Amino acid sequence: AQKVTQAQTEISVVEKEDVTLDCVYETRDTTYYLFWYKQPPSGELVFLIRRNSFDEQNEISGRYSWNFQKSTSSFNFTITASQVVDSAVYFCALRYTDKLIFGTGTRLQVFP
Amino acid sequence: DSGVTQTPKHLITATGQRVTLRCSPRSGDLSVYWYQQSLDQGLQFLIQYYNGEERAKGNILERFSAQQFPDLHSELNLSSLELGDSALYFCASSVQPLNEQFFGPGTRLTVL
Repeated sequence: AQKVTQAQTEISVVEKEDVTLDCVYETRDTTYYLFWYKQPPSGELVFLIRRNSFDEQNEISGRYSWNFQKSTSSFNFTITASQVVDSAVYFCALRYTDKLIFGTGTRLQVFP
Repeated sequence: DSGVTQTPKHLITATGQRVTLRCSPRSGDLSVYWYQQSLDQGLQFLIQYYNGEERAKGNILERFSAQQFPDLHSELNLSSLELGDSALYFCASSVQPLNEQFFGPGTRLTVL
């Protein structure tokens, strides 16, 4: 079965702290894609990254970085030097056929 | 702004009624997806269309239906509404079915 688990329901940090959001996935497919989306308080879903199963290189985009490890079926997301604007719910997702299977999300609150 | 538009932004209606949610995909995107986000079910895939044809179906109730028109916009029809249908309904689009999906701002449906 295809499944995404985000065990952290809510994380609170103070501005400038680093924070890692965990994502564990289950799939029997040998080729698959993983995604992260951000849902700020305004409600829209913002695409952050797509990673395919053949590319285990870590990705960095500004203060954001992603660590993909097939051995542990994890695709973790780190925000360095967090800011108040990073406060949002973050979803990890696995593409199965054409649809996205989402985790339950992690609510990140960054306090000034 | 993802380029995906959804109308209306908010919809308040009564049980038993029927509503239509509208989605315009990003320019050039052929694939449209509908998702429902509720507190108890999280983000769930409902249905997908590609170039006017239904391509995949998820946990969509029989009371719900959708279509994609020749101009590629899509409509999601919800009928015999129940209190439990209150949710945020997202439309997403992608160039091709396997590409990343970009989400619209959502339509918040409240059934009273």
